[in-house]
Amino acid sequence: SQQGEEDPQALSIQEGENATMNCSYKTSINNLQWYRQNSGRGLVHLILIRSNEREKHSGRLRVTLDTSKKSSSLLITASRAADTASYFCATDGGNTPLVFGKGTRLSVIA
Amino acid sequence: GAVVSQHPSRVICKSGTSVKIECRSLDFQATTMFWYRQFPKQSLMLMATSNEGSKATYEQGVEKDKFLINHASLTLSTLTVTSAHPEDSSFYICSARDRGSTGELFFGEGSRLTVL
Repeated sequence: SQQGEEDPQALSIQEGENATMNCSYKTSINNLQWYRQNSGRGLVHLILIRSNEREKHSGRLRVTLDTSKKSSSLLITASRAADTASYFCATDGGNTPLVFGKGTRLSVIA
Repeated sequence: GAVVSQHPSRVICKSGTSVKIECRSLDFQATTMFWYRQFPKQSLMLMATSNEGSKATYEQGVEKDKFLINHASLTLSTLTVTSAHPEDSSFYICSARDRGSTGELFFGEGSRLTVL
């Protein structure tokens, strides 16, 4: 069953602006992961944040996790046209499959 | 980095035929592989969990006789869509968890099935 719910469903910004996507989930997790998917392609793992971590950075990506609110955010700074894709959060409850949210479709306009 | 190869990337078949999709982990051993299905502009829906050497575990609502999964080795899992119908047309994605991984899954590029 779906657990992660991203918002917004779609986001359109200008190149150079920051893009923020949010994810909420319902049950306890071991970690939360963000993935990117270009149209018609497989998923690419972006970043994993564990339940005992609050913030993590990777290049232009910044992820936060608030386990009390069961929510996470993905910030892409200084966006580029090449960042245009769908972004999914996925929760990992342990030795179980990832459960994906519905995704945010990001469009970065040059 | 780890690579998961999925083949074929695109397949078109006639209604009533069966289609096999392969998922291979190229540089790591995967005791567990997962098969997802994705409709246009939708999220990934887990279909089944494939464990090496044992029967797959199917999610509720997924017909095991329709979607046959075989995980015969630590690097290969196959999904066979039997007697395909147009409603089976979808994007199928496999993923594999590295035995030594802390949680990251590696995904294949996906297979787009079109049933005429």
